[in-house]
Amino acid sequence: GAVVSQHPSWVICKSGTSVKIECRSLDFQATTMFWYRQFPKQSLMLMATSNEGSKATYEQGVEKDKFLINHASLTLSTLTVTSAHPEDSSFYICSARNMASLGTSGIYEQYFGPGTRLTVT
Amino acid sequence: QKEVEQNSGPLSVPEGAIASLNCTYSDRVSQSFFWYRQYSGKSPELIMSIYSNGDKEDGRFTAQLNKASQYVSLLIRDSQPSDSATYLCAVDWDYKLSFGAGTTVTVRA
Repeated sequence: GAVVSQHPSWVICKSGTSVKIECRSLDFQATTMFWYRQFPKQSLMLMATSNEGSKATYEQGVEKDKFLINHASLTLSTLTVTSAHPEDSSFYICSARNMASLGTSGIYEQYFGPGTRLTVT
Repeated sequence: QKEVEQNSGPLSVPEGAIASLNCTYSDRVSQSFFWYRQYSGKSPELIMSIYSNGDKEDGRFTAQLNKASQYVSLLIRDSQPSDSATYLCAVDWDYKLSFGAGTTVTVRA
């Protein structure tokens, strides 16, 4: 249980184009999903919190007009990188909070998708 | 500023030994703590969660939490080469996870 998928797993795009990444919780509902970015040899950096049916909350320094997040259902959140540039090349990872884990583990657990490696040329 | 600190590593242990990973956090309000394993080029995988003081065991893994000392640790018993990875300590603040920089563990055969 608690499986999160992401699509695509890798993408190469030209500078100036937009890329959409999908994140799905496959066997649980997730009212809250999170988007992270990870550069080589660095830890995860939270970009934004995605809430089903409402606007995403962005972390300080993350441009909300550049990284568009939509959480239209309890199992799907999307991240669109608009007008991508080479400095946006990174490993983008989503996670979903499993509300059901409160009953089994006593706390809300987050499960990560496999990640999307974005390369902007 | 809320911070999560992990011992810097890298940590090299012989196969079959115990690997000990440490993590401290700065905010006393935190209630939930997690250990994730991340293989190179892959996303993090949840291996342990803990919210009560004391020990929690799951297979070869034991998490230890001491809220008074703001300290959480992970022990890996009978370390295997497949345990070679980076281990991330995460602290839940307002339902958002803050991660430490990670400790890279290498289990040598």
